[in-house]
Amino acid sequence: LAKTTQPISMDSYEGQEVNITCSHNNIATNDYITWYQQFPSQGPRFIIQGYKTKVTNEVASLFIPADRKSSTLSLPRVSLSDTAVYYCLVGDMAGENKFYFGSGTKLNVKP
Amino acid sequence: GAVVSQHPSRVICKSGTSVKIECRSLDFQATTMFWYRQFPKKSLMLMATSNEGSKATYEQGVEKDKFLINHASLTLSTLTVTSAHPEDSSFYICSASTTSGSSYEQFFGPGTRLTVL
Repeated sequence: LAKTTQPISMDSYEGQEVNITCSHNNIATNDYITWYQQFPSQGPRFIIQGYKTKVTNEVASLFIPADRKSSTLSLPRVSLSDTAVYYCLVGDMAGENKFYFGSGTKLNVKP
Repeated sequence: GAVVSQHPSRVICKSGTSVKIECRSLDFQATTMFWYRQFPKKSLMLMATSNEGSKATYEQGVEKDKFLINHASLTLSTLTVTSAHPEDSSFYICSASTTSGSSYEQFFGPGTRLTVL
């Protein structure tokens, strides 16, 4: 069973900041939080990963509160090409780190 | 980032035949690879975990005799769909895992579209 819950879809306009929140109430101590992006008929692509607080890279930021029961992916100034499905995943680095995908969030960026 | 390839990218076969899909990690060694399937407009479903040199671990409801997995080396895992039927038509995606310092990533292949006639 998926360990995460996300909104099914979100709409945005070009140039806006988009925040997608994910719930993972049963996250374990060894679990990391990872976000992937998937375009139709392609494999998922890694966006960002974090354990706690805030992580930022060249494409996104990841905010994780102290209790780690949720996380928020922030995409600054989205463009039409950011239209995709975004998956939040938790996995145990100490184990096999299996990923059980939830429904993901379909982000629709409009002009 | 690390690159994972899959071959073929697309395959069409007749019902009853077997199809082999290859998953390769091109620039790193992967002790663990994963196989997923994805139906149209649905999420990825984990099928099995493939460990180099040992038997694969299948998820509940996935027939191990139907979906044969071999992980013969640190860079190659294969999935064979045996006696394929139209309901096996799907998008099959593999991933390979690696750890680097304090981070962990799964790198996904581009997927293989299987159509069974």
